Amino acid sequence: DTAVSQTPKYLVTQMGNDKSIKCEQNLGHDTMYWYKQDSKKFLKIMFSYNNKELIINETVPNRFSPKSPDKAHLNLHINSLELGDSAVYFCASSPRDKTYNEQFFGPGTRLTVL
Amino acid sequence: LAKTTQPISMDSYEGQEVNITCSHNNIATNDYITWYQQFPSQGPRFIIQGYKTKVTNEVASLFIPADRKSSTLSLPRVSLSDTAVYYCLVGPPNDYKLSFGAGTTVTVRA
Repeated sequence: DTAVSQTPKYLVTQMGNDKSIKCEQNLGHDTMYWYKQDSKKFLKIMFSYNNKELIINETVPNRFSPKSPDKAHLNLHINSLELGDSAVYFCASSPRDKTYNEQFFGPGTRLTVL
Repeated sequence: LAKTTQPISMDSYEGQEVNITCSHNNIATNDYITWYQQFPSQGPRFIIQGYKTKVTNEVASLFIPADRKSSTLSLPRVSLSDTAVYYCLVGPPNDYKLSFGAGTTVTVRA
């Protein structure tokens, strides 16, 4: 069974379009995250939700809007896509009681903006 | 967040031990050291975490000297499938905001 799943795996779109990436975890975790990994492999956190509430919102353009309908899902909607949005986006989750900095990552969504 | 410095890349051969050292000179008292592994086209995967001395699990060992200003991840007898990027992270144990650097690309050759 897939612990953290993302759809789609690949997303190719034109500049200016609006797109969404979906994430689901079946681990029963309370906290979910979105990360962006650029071409240089740097992985940066974008958002974090704890039990459907936003707890981390890094300096991300407001074109990016996360939505958490329930604690098992955290979707990422991106408006007016730009060339610089091209990257791999990873969803992750972690349990509430954390003694370890262990987050469980999904397989990633490679977004290409043309 | 404590900044970390690790080598950009390392090459090894199957069956050898690989040791990756990470420097974190400004580590705080309540910070832990965590290592992640990322295979191509996959998300990062937690490998090991420690606070001081030595921690060992089925995947790797983590050596942390008394001053905690550095740490060494040791991968015993690597195989081709250990080719990956290895990230060293430093932060408190309940830190929601993990900070990944550039990592160390380990290439294992036959």
